[in-house]
Amino acid sequence: EDKVVQSPLSLVVHEGDTVTLNCSYEVTNFRSLLWYKQEKKAPTFLFMLTSSGIEKKSGRLSSILDKKELFSILNITATQTGDSAVYLCAVGGSQGNLIFGKGTKLSVKP
Amino acid sequence: NAGVTQTPKFQVLKTGQSMTLQCAQDMNHNSMYWYRQDPGMGLRLIYYSASEGTTDKGEVPNGYNVSRLNKREFSLRLESAAPSQTSVYFCASSEAGGRLYEQYFGPGTRLTVT
Repeated sequence: EDKVVQSPLSLVVHEGDTVTLNCSYEVTNFRSLLWYKQEKKAPTFLFMLTSSGIEKKSGRLSSILDKKELFSILNITATQTGDSAVYLCAVGGSQGNLIFGKGTKLSVKP
Repeated sequence: NAGVTQTPKFQVLKTGQSMTLQCAQDMNHNSMYWYRQDPGMGLRLIYYSASEGTTDKGEVPNGYNVSRLNKREFSLRLESAAPSQTSVYFCASSEAGGRLYEQYFGPGTRLTVT
């Protein structure tokens, strides 16, 4: 059975801290891993990773995939209160859908 | 571009009532999806449509039906609502099915069944 496990489930940091969110997966015929940010509404797309070892970056956010060890990390440097959200990891499933982890709730305190 | 739109935003139903959730996308995407999101459960696929004219069951299809009305629209119907269907429902679309395309989500419908 395909599954995606995220850790930690929740995290509280202070502005300026650096955080690392983890995502491990087991899926048949892996092709892509995606990160989404969800603030009280729809998930918004952050990154899609398909190849091992290639870092994707967008401002203070970056992500990398390890296909051998079946995990990905999402790093956020110099966190801001606006980074407070639930971060979702998803992997493409055999039905063409996305299989989501339960998410990591990040709270950034001023 | 509006992206993915959903109506209604909120709905309260009594047990046994029926309703249809509407979803439309203006990105000319081929594939559309319905997910439900429950606390502690993440997002789970209800039904999807890989292309116009096709629909398939996802992980949690019981109690739901769908219609892919045309390329733009994909509706989700609850024939006889149950309290277990209280959830937030998200519609999503992607350029194609398969696992190389990101999915774009609508704003969600918060449904409460009493």
